[in-house]
Amino acid sequence: KNQVEQSPQSLIILEGKNCTLQCNYTVSPFSNLRWYKQDTGRGPVSLTIMTFSENTKSNGRYTATLDADTKQSSLHITASQLSDSASYICVVSAGSTNAGKSTFGDGTTLTVKP
Amino acid sequence: GAVVSQHPSRVICKSGTSVKIECRSLDFQATTMFWYRQFPKQSLMLMATSNEGSKATYEQGVEKDKFLINHASLTLSTLTVTSAHPEDSSFYICSAIGPVGYTAEAFFGQGTRLTVV
Repeated sequence: KNQVEQSPQSLIILEGKNCTLQCNYTVSPFSNLRWYKQDTGRGPVSLTIMTFSENTKSNGRYTATLDADTKQSSLHITASQLSDSASYICVVSAGSTNAGKSTFGDGTTLTVKP
Repeated sequence: GAVVSQHPSRVICKSGTSVKIECRSLDFQATTMFWYRQFPKQSLMLMATSNEGSKATYEQGVEKDKFLINHASLTLSTLTVTSAHPEDSSFYICSAIGPVGYTAEAFFGQGTRLTVV
């Protein structure tokens, strides 16, 4: 069964600090892994998308890594801001072309405090 | 980047009435659209997958007669919650992907908060 597990479930950090969120998956065959940021009451917004051959991708203060051998990914947030407070969702897609056949993680709720 | 627009963002309806939610891809042809439901503090739950011009494929446990999905064009899919009940109150989100060769990215709408009173 395809699964995506995220940790921690929730995280509280002080503004300006860095943090790393984890995502482990068992989805097969692997197509791509995406990280989304979801603000409360809003739809998810894409942060990064990585395919099998990519092991790191950055988007501003967000850097995602992917280890396809161990089936692990991380999202590193640098110099956190209050606006980073949100739920971060790891989504792994299976198959060759259908990006929508996806397995969602339960998300990590990040709270950045001043 | 590609944009998916969902409308309305919030709707309150009376129990027993029907509500239609629209999902539009504004700058690409969405060959496939997905509808999700999300409860507070939980992840997105896939309800159904719709391909343009064909019947939607519903996930197990989702009543197709209650959640009517129409994907009549490459840029528009609609979800109609029929005979709504308070337990249907939830956050509904659509996403869309483009044709083969387009980015593998799935783009999400802003979501619709449905409250049934």
